[in-house]
Amino acid sequence: KAGVTQTPRYLIKTRGQQVTLSCSPISGHRSVSWYQQTPGQGLQFLFEYFSETQRNKGNFPGRFSGRQFSNSRSEMNVSTLELGDSALYLCASSQWGKTQYFGPGTRLLVL
Amino acid sequence: AQTVTQSQPEMSVQEAETVTLSCTYDTSENNYYLFWYKQPPSRQMILVIRQEAYKQQNATENRFSVNFQKAAKSFSLKISDSQLGDTAMYFCAFMNPTGDTGANSKLTFGKGITLSVRP
Repeated sequence: KAGVTQTPRYLIKTRGQQVTLSCSPISGHRSVSWYQQTPGQGLQFLFEYFSETQRNKGNFPGRFSGRQFSNSRSEMNVSTLELGDSALYLCASSQWGKTQYFGPGTRLLVL
Repeated sequence: AQTVTQSQPEMSVQEAETVTLSCTYDTSENNYYLFWYKQPPSRQMILVIRQEAYKQQNATENRFSVNFQKAAKSFSLKISDSQLGDTAMYFCAFMNPTGDTGANSKLTFGKGITLSVRP
């Protein structure tokens, strides 16, 4: 089976812009979770989607949003980018309540 | 809320030797999973090993094994016959598959430990 894929792999944006990241899960996995990784805060949970519905949400401002499509692919969007949003964004897929498998991540740099 | 603590920020081991990475966690739940993930310089997060809390037997995957002490809320990873390719950051993670909103896959991570394997 193909693994989790994320696009784009690298992204440079400026403050105030918005960005959309995409994640395609492992075939058969209907749960997709997103995490933000920074040197200062470590790995933090953003949100989880299952069957096109957000099931869990972490403690992030409303500028961070996501959605899931009927084929289980997921996107996350960050509006009005801030310097502090520079991070590695990791997507993970799983069967519901099971082990998560991660994609390669998207590195976002906000200038 | 659950917390995961990895108190050692860095460790170093000689190739072919054994090293143990420590992790403690705090939870009031009885049913949960614990994981060790490895993140090499490529930043790809790779599953190393998984332990279900209801299983008394410690999980083993080739050179990797865990020492799961449920009462002490301790979950350490032992790497035997260390190889240069084991150089990476290692994260301990907790999952409660039946969280506040029903079933979920949310992981709570520790801050990680950087392991260097010396040739």
